Amino acid sequence: GAGVSQTPSNKVTEKGKYVELRCDPISGHTALYWYRQSLGQGPEFLIYFQGTGAADDSGLPNDRFFAVRPEGSVSTLKIQRTERGDSAVYLCASSSGRTHNEQFFGPGTRLTVL
Amino acid sequence: AQSVSQHNHHVILSEAASLELGCNYSYGGTVNLFWYVQYPGQHLQLLLKYFSGDPLVKGIKGFEAEFIKSKFSFNLRKPSVQWSDTAEYFCAVNAASGTYKYIFGTGTRLKVLA
Repeated sequence: GAGVSQTPSNKVTEKGKYVELRCDPISGHTALYWYRQSLGQGPEFLIYFQGTGAADDSGLPNDRFFAVRPEGSVSTLKIQRTERGDSAVYLCASSSGRTHNEQFFGPGTRLTVL
Repeated sequence: AQSVSQHNHHVILSEAASLELGCNYSYGGTVNLFWYVQYPGQHLQLLLKYFSGDPLVKGIKGFEAEFIKSKFSFNLRKPSVQWSDTAEYFCAVNAASGTYKYIFGTGTRLKVLA
């Protein structure tokens, strides 16, 4: 398909474990974004990549969260020492990089930390 | 602080009723404005956007929104809703320059009764 894909769709883990969430953006999109959506809330920005570099990581809540995009395409969001409060839907979006261009969202990964 | 407020968290309408969902933002500087929709079981998708020009913008499925700069508002309207419009609606804003991240409102859940 031509859309943004995310894997896994669901992830259940235990408190303290490490998780990786993957995002495959639309081909050719230089900009990639991660958001987190908690129940009853709108998506909250985590990090934005332009190409391979993180242009804005001001939304990462703490140093347990890290994201990479080594080749400027696929991105991985990594969460260390997961906590119950990390439970949320993690959304990835991509765009062609201009601010007024829409961001195309993936289906999300629902993370549950027990 | 940058923020987006959506006044109505839950709205219930009968088919053919008119819809108006409120959105106000607080953001220093020139902004781009967006409305996204999330149908049950689907991912976020763009309804419409404003970045310059005519403040009355038309989107897909008969939706429109009006940017009123003096009121910092971008309300979404539809003259006659259908059962298929049942969804969650999110207003979002980003800066016209600089960081591209979206600031989302908390969303409005619309239920249309057949």
